[in-house]
Parts: sequence; structure tokens; C-alpha cells
Amino acid sequence: AQSVTQLGSHVSVSEGALVLLRCNYSSSVPPYLFWYVQYPNQGLQLLLKYTTGATLVKGINGFEAEFKKSETSFHLTKPSAHMSDAAEYFCAVSAGNQGGKLIFGQGTELSVKP
Amino acid sequence: EPEVTQTPSHQVTQMGQEVILRCVPISNHLYFYWYRQILGQKVEFLVSFYNNEISEKSEIFDDQFSVERPDGSNFTLKIRSTKLEDSAMYFCASSAQRGGGNEQFFGPGTRLTVL
Repeated sequence: AQSVTQLGSHVSVSEGALVLLRCNYSSSVPPYLFWYVQYPNQGLQLLLKYTTGATLVKGINGFEAEFKKSETSFHLTKPSAHMSDAAEYFCAVSAGNQGGKLIFGQGTELSVKP
Repeated sequence: EPEVTQTPSHQVTQMGQEVILRCVPISNHLYFYWYRQILGQKVEFLVSFYNNEISEKSEIFDDQFSVERPDGSNFTLKIRSTKLEDSAMYFCASSAQRGGGNEQFFGPGTRLTVL
């Protein structure tokens, strides 16, 4: 069975500050890991994903995440927050040997203060 | 840029009524999914669909739920007799390929309110 835990349902940062959104996963098979972002009244948009290979993954809008197997983590970071980053962020895991269903964390709402 | 669309954006219904939520996946995609998110809870997988049949379904997807691809473009989720606990945001998604590492493209969702 797979599961995802996102620490912090709400994170607030100042514009220009580091963004760190935490995600830990549990998986009995090698996981595929995703971060999705949801802006108000829109669908979930893929930020980045890890499948195999390099453990530091770069995504859109300056975000990146590092897969750490030993810590079962896939934290999302961005060096400098922008007002437009305010949104809900979802971490998700999928098993490579299954049909692709995504198991989501509870989401973290990111607020950016001017 | 191709996108997944969903209609309606918001549906209000009475308990016990049937509802059909509609989705138009990206045109060259072959794999389709429904997820839902009850307010304040996680996004949950409901069902995946490929080649006109269900590939996988969750425990949530009981006999009250059904999916269909009635033509070459639409993908629908039907709830036969709605319950209060069916109130949620329902997301449709599609992907070009199957398998855990492939990106799923999500629609904006349909908010279902059961009274």
C-alpha cells in the first residue's frame, strides 16, 4: 500500500523567502513521485515528477524537489517566493507496476506575504 | 495548449437523484481517471478507464457509480442515487500513456453539492 503525508496544511512565507513544502511517502515498491499545484478555480497542474535517475528534479516556475529514499521524502523547494506562487500544492505517489492511479497527500496551502 | 474540460462547474442536486458529470479529455489521450476531493480531505482516486473498460477502481467506487465513454470525446461519471456524503469536488484526468510515471492532466473540477 502507498500513502503520502504532507506536513503543514498551511505555510506562509514572505515574498523573496525560501519556500519549503514537506512531503513524506510510504511505498512497498519503487515510487514515482509528483508535485501538483492548484490555483483557484483551476485543475491540478504538474509542477515536477521523479521517476528514475537524478534525484534532484527541476520543475516549472523555479521549483525543484529532491527524492531521498533513505528519508522517504520528496520535499518541494523554491529559493525565492513570488506572490504568484500562492496556491494549493499536492504531493502524490504512484506505483510503477500499477495502472497509474495517484495517491495524494492532503495538500499544503501556500500564502505569500508582500 | 490542449486541456481537460469538465461540465458543469457546479452542480446542486437533491439526495437520491442521479447526476452525470461530464469530462472532455485531451483528444489523443487514451487513459482516463476520476478523482474526488471532499472538502478538507485528500484528493482520492475513484476509477481508471482504458479501452472502454474499467482498469482499476477504489473501494469508494461502488455500485452507485459508473463511468462511460459514450462517444469519441466525452468521458462521464454517473452517480445513480446521490447521498449527502457524495458532496465533493470531482476531478477528471487523462494521460497519453499508462503506467505510474506518466503525467495525468487534470480538469478544473465539478463541485457537486447534495442537499
